[in-house]
Amino acid sequence: EAAVTQSPRSKVAVTGGKVTLSCHQTNNHDYMYWYRQDTGHGLRLIHYSYVADSTEKGDIPDGYKASRPSQENFSLILELASLSQTAVYFCASKSNTGQLYFGEGSKLTVL
Amino acid sequence: GEQVEQRPPHLSVREGDSAVITCTYTDPNSYYFFWYKQEPGASLQLLMKVFSSTEINEGQGFTVLLNKKDKRLSLNLTAAHPGDSAAYFCAVRASSSFSKLVFGQGTSLSVVP
Repeated sequence: EAAVTQSPRSKVAVTGGKVTLSCHQTNNHDYMYWYRQDTGHGLRLIHYSYVADSTEKGDIPDGYKASRPSQENFSLILELASLSQTAVYFCASKSNTGQLYFGEGSKLTVL
Repeated sequence: GEQVEQRPPHLSVREGDSAVITCTYTDPNSYYFFWYKQEPGASLQLLMKVFSSTEINEGQGFTVLLNKKDKRLSLNLTAAHPGDSAAYFCAVRASSSFSKLVFGQGTSLSVVP
């Protein structure tokens, strides 16, 4: 069974609309992350969290919010989606040894 | 902060040939290094985790070399086969940030029969 699951796997949104990407992990890991993947840029960190009810900004947080209501769940929120936020988004949890376990990815297209 | 440069962005080799992907990093105190493989349309899977104390790490069909003096990490695939076709990413945990990994830009590898 997949230990990190994301939903939705694919979404089309309109410019200015609100988008919520959800992530659920069963690894019992404290750290969770949201990355975006763009061709030529690898993965860039948006937000992360190391405890429930607390989130931290990553390297590219502008235009995104995050929510960690419980250890298992971590959401990424785009309040006003823009064309530039079209990308594939990956959620991950991190073990104590530093290894990241990734979800399947969520492909977001903003029109 | 830590910066990671990965080269080449695209690589095409014939089946049976070797393929080399290299990452250079800036923080001399970085101590955890990772290689991830991403098959088309799929998520990232850990290929190998390398600690700074070990310079040569061997996996199944590949070798990871860590040159701390030059701050360079390389992934050498020996005798590549079509199943190796994927995107490969290096990642570095800097000493200054326990929480974050910094990823390279990725290399798209194509192994042609």
